[in-house]
Amino acid sequence: QKEVEQNSGPLSVPEGAIASLNCTYSDRVSQSFFWYRQYSGKSPELIMSIYSNGDKEDGRFTAQLNKASQYVSLLIRDSQPSDSATYLCAVNRGGNQFYFGTGTSLTVIP
Amino acid sequence: SAVISQKPSRDICQRGTSLTIQCQVDSQVTMMFWYRQQPGQSLTLIATANQGSEATYESGFVIDKFPISRPNLTFSTLTVSNMSPEDSSIYLCSVNRDRGRELFFGEGSRLTVL
Repeated sequence: QKEVEQNSGPLSVPEGAIASLNCTYSDRVSQSFFWYRQYSGKSPELIMSIYSNGDKEDGRFTAQLNKASQYVSLLIRDSQPSDSATYLCAVNRGGNQFYFGTGTSLTVIP
Repeated sequence: SAVISQKPSRDICQRGTSLTIQCQVDSQVTMMFWYRQQPGQSLTLIATANQGSEATYESGFVIDKFPISRPNLTFSTLTVSNMSPEDSSIYLCSVNRDRGRELFFGEGSRLTVL
């Protein structure tokens, strides 16, 4: 079983819609959760971090964490073509090792 | 966040040669990490570079193939030795400010081995 699993997609949404990205993790002791955006040919860019159950909002982005169900999600409201990228979910147990999912490819259609 | 500069940004190398990638951070950090991202894949941790001690390598990675230096708290190098086409990848330097907190990445070094 992989540490972090994501649906590879591709996920396509029309411009202005809500994009929903999901991630599950296997280790219950995981403490920190992150979403990264990676444009083609670029390095990952941190867009959200979440450490406790519930929702965390930052602009058009909302991260949701449910530790009991071991999933974390990212909602992107009012999706824009510039949001088209691969989104990586990462999990940390409190040490230096981060576990990354394989990413979900998102395409926002104008 | 952190400003992380990597050099070279890309290179094309011949089989059997070695290449050293440099990583410079804009402020002192305890840990620096080297990741590899092969085409179409996610990120795999190669090693953790500690200042003043040997790097800690992950399973599947060895010092002879990926020697790392960490001469001070703002700089590290990763060498990819005796390269083969399978080493074609993006190599990423990363740091975090506190254990378990956000990880920030450099721009990456894209290596192509012919």
